[in-house]
Amino acid sequence: AQSVAQPEDQVNVAEGNPLTVKCTYSVSGNPYLFWYVQYPNRGLQFLLKYITGDNLVKGSYGFEAEFNKSQTSFHLKKPSALVSDSALYFCAVERGGSYIPTFGRGTSLIVHP
Amino acid sequence: GAGVSQSPSNKVTEKGKDVELRCDPISGHTALYWYRQSLGQGLEFLIYFQGNSAPDKSGLPSDRFSAERTGGSVSTLTIQRTQQEDSAVYLCASSRGTGSGGELFFGEGSRLTVL
Repeated sequence: AQSVAQPEDQVNVAEGNPLTVKCTYSVSGNPYLFWYVQYPNRGLQFLLKYITGDNLVKGSYGFEAEFNKSQTSFHLKKPSALVSDSALYFCAVERGGSYIPTFGRGTSLIVHP
Repeated sequence: GAGVSQSPSNKVTEKGKDVELRCDPISGHTALYWYRQSLGQGLEFLIYFQGNSAPDKSGLPSDRFSAERTGGSVSTLTIQRTQQEDSAVYLCASSRGTGSGGELFFGEGSRLTVL
């Protein structure tokens, strides 16, 4: 079984400040972890993923995420938020070899000017 | 186009009617997924196709839901005798299917409203 928890429905941050969107997961076996972003009335777009190797992964638009095995977390971060980062963010987990990712409920990120 | 294409973008139907939703994946992608996105519920997995293998239907919520994929390309999701709780955005995604852990490419979705 595999599951993802995004404990915050909404995150508010001021432009220029660092942002964090939280994600924890549960999976039997090796986890493959993903972040996707959804802009209004659009499909989801891939941001970054962790498969193996370095725990800190870098992705599109200046985003990064850190895989923490002991805390079963994969939080999304960005050093300096932009208003254009405002969107819905989804974390997903896939048990290695399952081919089917399970998504969280999503976190709405609002960046204030 | 180069992306995943879904049609119709919006569908309003009456309770009890059947609906068909279409997905045209990225050319060459062997894996195809259907998810359902309901307000506040995140993405719910429905069905997964990989090449010519039997699909994984484990996410279909009832026997009113079915899907097929013809010629390893276009897929159709059919909902029979629609109910109000079927109202949602139905998202299709495809991937290269060359291994687990691949990136999914999503279409813009089909918004279904059942009156």
